[in-house]
Amino acid sequence: AQKITQTQPGMFVQEKEAVTLDCTYDTSDQSYGLFWYKQPSSGEMIFLIYQGSYDEQNATEGRYSLNFQKARKSANLVISASQLGDSAMYFCAMRLIYNQGGKLIFGQGTELSVKP
Amino acid sequence: DTGVSQDPRHKITKRGQNVTFRCDPISEHNRLYWYRQTLGQGPEFLTYFQNEAQLEKSRLLSDRFSAERPKGSFSTLEIQRTEQGDSAMYLCASSFPRGSRGNNEQFFGPGTRLTVL
Repeated sequence: AQKITQTQPGMFVQEKEAVTLDCTYDTSDQSYGLFWYKQPSSGEMIFLIYQGSYDEQNATEGRYSLNFQKARKSANLVISASQLGDSAMYFCAMRLIYNQGGKLIFGQGTELSVKP
Repeated sequence: DTGVSQDPRHKITKRGQNVTFRCDPISEHNRLYWYRQTLGQGPEFLTYFQNEAQLEKSRLLSDRFSAERPKGSFSTLEIQRTEQGDSAMYLCASSFPRGSRGNNEQFFGPGTRLTVL
């Protein structure tokens, strides 16, 4: 069975500093995709970044980068130069590429608080 | 606004009542998903449509739950005889069909928060 584990219920970071949010996953499939979503208090899930299992380079999107270590089955999100607006819940999710439905399997989330 | 919309945003009901939620996906998207998110947890998959066909249902979707997507446009999720355990945020998402890299992101709506008293 596929599973996503986020072991940090809450994290604090000082404004302008970098922070790493941990994510480990479990699957026996070779073809999968890993996503990070941000959920502010308003409730809407906002897509941040994607990493495919066959991608050779770590994904980057602006201040977001994904530290993908396939052998360790980890896909940590790094946010550089944290801003107050980054305070939110962050979810790691996985999708099997050949699952016809494409459903996302989410972790429990990490609540990030950015201090001024 | 061309994003995913959901209605209502909040619903309070008494145990035993029926409720119906609506989701309007991004118009070009042919895939539509429903997820349920309880407090302090990540979203859990409920069901998925490709166009008007409901292709997958989670075991979480008991027989009290039914979802439709007539004409492959908007979708409705109905819960009959609500129970207090149904209290949650119900999220709708839509997407294009997956690309070869599987990177077709799902765009989420703001959710409907259900409270069953």
